[in-house]
Amino acid sequence: EPEVTQTPSHQVTQMGQEVILRCVPISNHLYFYWYRQILGQKVEFLVSFYNNEISEKSEIFDDQFSVERPDGSNFTLKIRSTKLEDSAMYFCASSRQGRDYGYTFGSGTRLTVV
Amino acid sequence: GESVGLHLPTLSVQEGDNSIINCAYSNSASDYFIWYKQESGKGPQFIIDIRSNMDKRQGQRVTVLLNKTVKHLSLQIAATQPGDSAVYFCAENINNFNKFYFGSGTKLNVKP
Repeated sequence: EPEVTQTPSHQVTQMGQEVILRCVPISNHLYFYWYRQILGQKVEFLVSFYNNEISEKSEIFDDQFSVERPDGSNFTLKIRSTKLEDSAMYFCASSRQGRDYGYTFGSGTRLTVV
Repeated sequence: GESVGLHLPTLSVQEGDNSIINCAYSNSASDYFIWYKQESGKGPQFIIDIRSNMDKRQGQRVTVLLNKTVKHLSLQIAATQPGDSAVYFCAENINNFNKFYFGSGTKLNVKP
């Protein structure tokens, strides 16, 4: 069964450093998303991406965040200057038909900011 | 903003019993709902969905019920198995393919 692949599985970074979280969505999917889950809290929407541009973003997704699809297979989330409160599990997801049938989520990258 | 909440944070059931996981949502404009299952160390996994023009939908061993009058959603799992042990989230969508609002999650423990 096709999978969304995320790397690394765990990233530890110092406060103020830049991190790039990487995702390989399912190959025939057209919509891409990043969600995050702070430990013990809800899964929260960050950003959606379609047709090579951001289609929607949440208030969490401020100027410190950016997304990119540098080639035909990768989808990245960059946090420019990490803060302690950015520590969370970050999930990439993709879908072929938008919201229908939900998304396929990756296994996540656990980001720890120290 | 939208609010999705769960009544029972932890549910323990005996293997073979039926499980019912509940979810309340606050936005009457929500028109599409999904139940996700999240196992330890993995991302959310789609279980079943329902649109607001339906009140019941059945899958394999799972049934989702939607009561729009009281804005309530439930997931019924028949003959619960140890492999069903996970955290279950409901998520709502408002005519918008871009994002879902997730509930807090209910942890299901299946005792052998």
